[in-house]
Amino acid sequence: QVQLQESGPGLVKPSQTLSLTCNVSGGSIRSGSYYWSWIRQPAGKDLEWIGRIYSSGSTKYNPSLNSRVIISIDTSKNQFSLRLTSVTAADTAVYYCARLVVGPSPYFDYWGQGALVTVSS
Amino acid sequence: QSVLTQPPSVSGAPGQRVTISCGGISSSIGAGYDVHWYQQLPGAAPKLLIYLTNTRPSGVPDRFSGSKSGTSASLVIAGLQAEDEGYYYCQSSDIRLSAPCVFGTGTKVTVL
Repeated sequence: QVQLQESGPGLVKPSQTLSLTCNVSGGSIRSGSYYWSWIRQPAGKDLEWIGRIYSSGSTKYNPSLNSRVIISIDTSKNQFSLRLTSVTAADTAVYYCARLVVGPSPYFDYWGQGALVTVSS
Repeated sequence: QSVLTQPPSVSGAPGQRVTISCGGISSSIGAGYDVHWYQQLPGAAPKLLIYLTNTRPSGVPDRFSGSKSGTSASLVIAGLQAEDEGYYYCQSSDIRLSAPCVFGTGTKVTVL
């Protein structure tokens, strides 16, 4: 059974960089059948896809966040990471990592439990 | 601003049938992309409920079913149960936005 677990600081100051890591267990992050993705959800609001990375390091980001997002992967540690720069209060949300099944219509089959990140001074 | 529109809420008594719609546009569902559905129970992460429009993952009860027609899709819960109360999100892709993943606006299901 694949499991994903987010980790990182729960509090980030405005204008600084949000950093989260997702540890994957029960399966290899090198698998060619999946992308690895980040999604966020502000309190009481909708899900927002942030971006995804393939085992090769190829990335694709949500155009609305593209200039501030970097997703990286470490296959030796079976984990991938999110960096979101120049954060504001609007970036306060629960951040989920998830496995994205490759295909013409990709979908998320496994999710982490989520990590609450608050942006505040 | 999501390109997939869902009703904010639906409700029904136990045992009733409820339908949640997911309205897309020509560049998403109308472009031939499949639709996927997720269930988010209170305090939990979303869970895959239906993928590729009408396929249930192992362990998902057969009272959940999905379909698609034109630029919209639907999730049906036949025989609503108390444990079904929560939020439901559709998800697809959008060629115009160059986004492989777009979510719907979410629907709160209330069991009366």
